[in-house]
Order: sequence, then C-alpha cells, then structure tokens
Amino acid sequence: DGGITQSPKYLFRKEGQNVTLSCEQNLNHDAMYWYRQDPGQGLRLIYYSQIVNDFQKGDIAEGYSVSREKKESFPLTVTSAQKNPTAFYLCASSQGGANEKLFFGSGTQLSVL
Amino acid sequence: RKEVEQDPGPFNVPEGATVAFNCTYSNSASQSFFWYRQDCRKEPKLLMSVYSSGNEDGRFTAQLNRASQYISLLIRDSKLSDSATYLCALKASGGYNKLIFGAGTRLAVHP
Repeated sequence: DGGITQSPKYLFRKEGQNVTLSCEQNLNHDAMYWYRQDPGQGLRLIYYSQIVNDFQKGDIAEGYSVSREKKESFPLTVTSAQKNPTAFYLCASSQGGANEKLFFGSGTQLSVL
Repeated sequence: RKEVEQDPGPFNVPEGATVAFNCTYSNSASQSFFWYRQDCRKEPKLLMSVYSSGNEDGRFTAQLNRASQYISLLIRDSKLSDSATYLCALKASGGYNKLIFGAGTRLAVHP
C-alpha cells in the first residue's frame, strides 16, 4: 500500500540534544511538508520541499533543519536551539502543482526529558 | 486577527442530530478550502474539499461563502463514529502549496 511512514511514534529528547524524525513516502509525490501541532492549536508549517534538493522555511523554522536528498525522504532534525520542542509532529506530502490535497503520516510525539 | 478561526467546541450532540461548524478566514485571496477530520493523537485525514457551488458527500455537506469569508460543514444524522476534531484548511493564492489550518472544532456525539 502507498503511504507516508513516520518514525518513531514517540521520541524523547534530552536537554541540548539534537533528534531526527524520519518521514518516508512511496506515493511518488514531489512536495513534502513538516507541521507541528500543539494542544488546542492548528498545524503550523515548519519546512516544506517542492522538489528534491530544495526546501524552504515555513512559519516556524527556527530551531529546525531538514534535508531532501531523495524524493521519498524528508527527515526533520529538532536542534538544541529549539527551546520548546514538545509537540506532535506531522509529515505530509502532495502531488505538487495544482493538486493541493495533503496526505499525512501518523505523526511523532516528541517530548523533553 | 488569525488567518483561520474556528470555534473550538466541544459540540456535544446526541446520535442522529444535525450539527454545523463554521470556519472564518481573513485572506480574501484564499483559493482552495478543505475540511479535515482528526482523531485524538492521529493524523488529519481529508474529509472533503469545499467548492464554490457547495458539495455533498453522504451525510456531509460543505459550503463556501466568499462574501462573508467563511466555510461551513454540516453533518446530518450524527453517528458515534463522527466524534473527532474537524479542521478547516485553506490555500492562499500564488506561490507554493501552503495550507493554513484552523485549530479545529471538537465534536462529541453521545448515545
């Protein structure tokens, strides 16, 4: 079955530690996105990539980094510079172009120890 | 003013009831509109796109009112399984495919 796979489902970060969240898709989608969701808030865009080897900052990119070396993979690193990393992280992909429908992975809950 | 605003609820309704949610937006240039359903600690799933002429999918009806800048979702004959959070999302004109999400409206359907 085609879809988006995020791992791990739960992740714990120690003070000063960088952690990386994995996102893989086999939908052959060009565009991929990372969103953050906090309780009672909407999804906020962290980074997005419309094509391999290219990505842009979203609304809350500070303290995060990404790479897009392969079409199917878009890992997100939460760096130590992100002072409030506890949140539910959602990866999504879309066909790109005029097709705006997003397909989401099952999410990663990141917590700080 | 937030770009997208929703009443957080919860809307507590009995099975079989009809319930409606609104979602207001501030950018009149917004082009595309969507309703997503999200279960607790799960990913959002696309429920339906919202077209200018309105559209219906079974018990669900979505409407767009550009003059007043809101979209609505009507659920008829509510089921227990409809209990979830409903997120509206919109895409502004131009540029890349960025969706802006509301914080969601929580629906609780009880027996």
